Amino acid sequence: AQTVTQSQPEMSVQEAETVTLSCTYDTSESDYYLFWYKQPPSRQMILVIRQEAYKQQNATENRFSVNFQKAAKSFSLKISDSQLGDAAMYFCARGAQFYFGTGTSLTVIP
Amino acid sequence: NAGVTQTPKFRILKIGQSMTLQCTQDMNHNYMYWYRQDPGMGLKLIYYSVGAGITDKGEVPNGYNVSRSTTEDFPLRLELAAPSQTSVYFCASSVNNEQYFGPGTRLTVT
Repeated sequence: AQTVTQSQPEMSVQEAETVTLSCTYDTSESDYYLFWYKQPPSRQMILVIRQEAYKQQNATENRFSVNFQKAAKSFSLKISDSQLGDAAMYFCARGAQFYFGTGTSLTVIP
Repeated sequence: NAGVTQTPKFRILKIGQSMTLQCTQDMNHNYMYWYRQDPGMGLKLIYYSVGAGITDKGEVPNGYNVSRSTTEDFPLRLELAAPSQTSVYFCASSVNNEQYFGPGTRLTVT
């Protein structure tokens, strides 16, 4: 089965603190891409970060970084120095034919 | 560039009615996708296209049809609307495994 699992329906973090969102996936392919998308209340899907499976180095985009464990099929997102604007739904996805997880709702506490 | 545009933004259909959701992109991307997002869930792939004249089923194609006569347009057709098709529909295009999403269409079938 080509599934993506996000086991944390809701998470909260204090402003300026760090939070990690979990994602596991299943695939029979050796080369693929992994993504984290942010969906604010506006519904717009915004790409946060992506990882190419053949690259060993974990991707980083400013305050966002991933911990990619290929053997464990795990792809977690770490948000550092959390800001109020980070509050949103976060979806993990596996490409190329895209499969999405059910999402994690992140609340940022002032 | 307008990116990916979708029309309409909102629509209410009666059971059994038909309609077409429009999607247009101006980035000359070959790959295009249709997703649905049910409340509290992630996106599920309905259909996708790898270029003009080529379409294929995704995870949840039943009740929908697509066509791709040009690179720019990828309309989604609902022939006999059912309450189970109440959802938010997203169109996306991609290049280099990065997806660009439209703003979504909220469809209610009553």
